Amino acid sequence: SQQGEEDPQALSIQEGENATMNCSYKTSINNLQWYRQNSGRGLVHLILIRSNEREKHSGRLRVTLDTSKKSSSLLITASRAADTASYFCATDAGLYTGANSKLTFGKGITLSVRP
Amino acid sequence: DGGITQSPKYLFRKEGQNVTLSCEQNLNHDAMYWYRQDPGQGLRLIYYSQIVNDFQKGDIAEGYSVSREKKESFPLTVTSAQKNPTAFYLCASSKGSTLNQPQHFGDGTRLSIL
Repeated sequence: SQQGEEDPQALSIQEGENATMNCSYKTSINNLQWYRQNSGRGLVHLILIRSNEREKHSGRLRVTLDTSKKSSSLLITASRAADTASYFCATDAGLYTGANSKLTFGKGITLSVRP
Repeated sequence: DGGITQSPKYLFRKEGQNVTLSCEQNLNHDAMYWYRQDPGQGLRLIYYSQIVNDFQKGDIAEGYSVSREKKESFPLTVTSAQKNPTAFYLCASSKGSTLNQPQHFGDGTRLSIL
């Protein structure tokens, strides 16, 4: 069964607004990652957060992780038209499978930022 | 510049034909992966390799085959046994042989049926 599921499926906002995307997962993890995919291109890794971390920042991106709720959120502040893309969360399969724990990707969130 | 190169960008397959998708990386990564992406869907793992001359089936390996004769190359063959091959195929690699590290992706090959 799919490990990570993103919410909402689609999000449309005005340039300058903040965008919040959520990911929920089922089993304990070693780490959770967020990726971006522009239309017709490959995925680009944005940020990795480990199970013992609660928050990480990278530029305009802020990721939080709540292991008690098995959920993560990705916040993009002051969004730009260039942020228009699909965003995926990826989790490994389990805390106790260690190094051979493969990533499972969610179905993605389509973010549209209107100029 | 280091990266992953997939070719061709577009590929058409006739009935009963096998086709091979190329994936080359110059990142010196040990692990490589093939994913299939259907419209509005996430990525599904076809095959992966953690080391040269070794590879493992992913979640949807039926109708596909791979080889890993060189560290930098991981070609995927879509065989005639794959009855619904139309999809966007993505190749990725990651540092070291552990499988839960950040992955670098190529720009994909879009395969269609003639």
